[in-house]
Amino acid sequence: AQSVSQHNHHVILSEAASLELGCNYSYGGTVNLFWYVQYPGQHLQLLLKYFSGDPLVKGIKGFEAEFIKSKFSFNLRKPSVQWSDTAEYFCAVIPRAGGGNKLTFGTGTQLKVEL
Amino acid sequence: NAGVTQTPKFQVLKTGQSMTLQCAQDMNHEYMSWYRQDPGMGLRLIHYSVGAGITDQGEVPNGYNVSRSTTEDFPLRLLSAAPSQTSVYFCASSYSTGSRGYGYTFGSGTRLTVV
Repeated sequence: AQSVSQHNHHVILSEAASLELGCNYSYGGTVNLFWYVQYPGQHLQLLLKYFSGDPLVKGIKGFEAEFIKSKFSFNLRKPSVQWSDTAEYFCAVIPRAGGGNKLTFGTGTQLKVEL
Repeated sequence: NAGVTQTPKFQVLKTGQSMTLQCAQDMNHEYMSWYRQDPGMGLRLIHYSVGAGITDQGEVPNGYNVSRSTTEDFPLRLLSAAPSQTSVYFCASSYSTGSRGYGYTFGSGTRLTVV
């Protein structure tokens, strides 16, 4: 079965700082990878996803992520964060074949952006 | 609006009570699933369905039942509520295609407290 590790549980940044959140997965085959964001009191929203092709994926709100197959990683980046990016971020993975609709999430990273 | 509708949004139960969390989608998605979200643990899969009449267990199925009699509906039943089931529950509807991989839509969640 697949699993996901998010190493940063809590991150505090000042506005305009750069962001990188780590995500590593374990699975031997080809995968779909996702980053979701959850603003306080709200449901999950998709930031971006990787299916195939260009390993550098651009998402909404200026976020991007790079899939490095050799490292089993899918780190999320943003060059300059804003106070409104304060939220919890989840990485998720599902096998491309035989995933059986079993999307697996990491434990999440709480991001706080200070003014 | 197209999407996933969950009811109720909030619920308080006494230990031992039973209840059903409702989930409906209008996107004709084949797949549906239930997750619970707990602090520091991310989202964990409870049960999932790959089509009407077909359900299977996820990572944390104990104490929950599901059925899928129609494509649109996927209710989650708590048989005898326990304080350990205090959580936020999310329903998701998803599809899988050869060209786009998996795509998920999440409901707005049900916050359940068991006292």
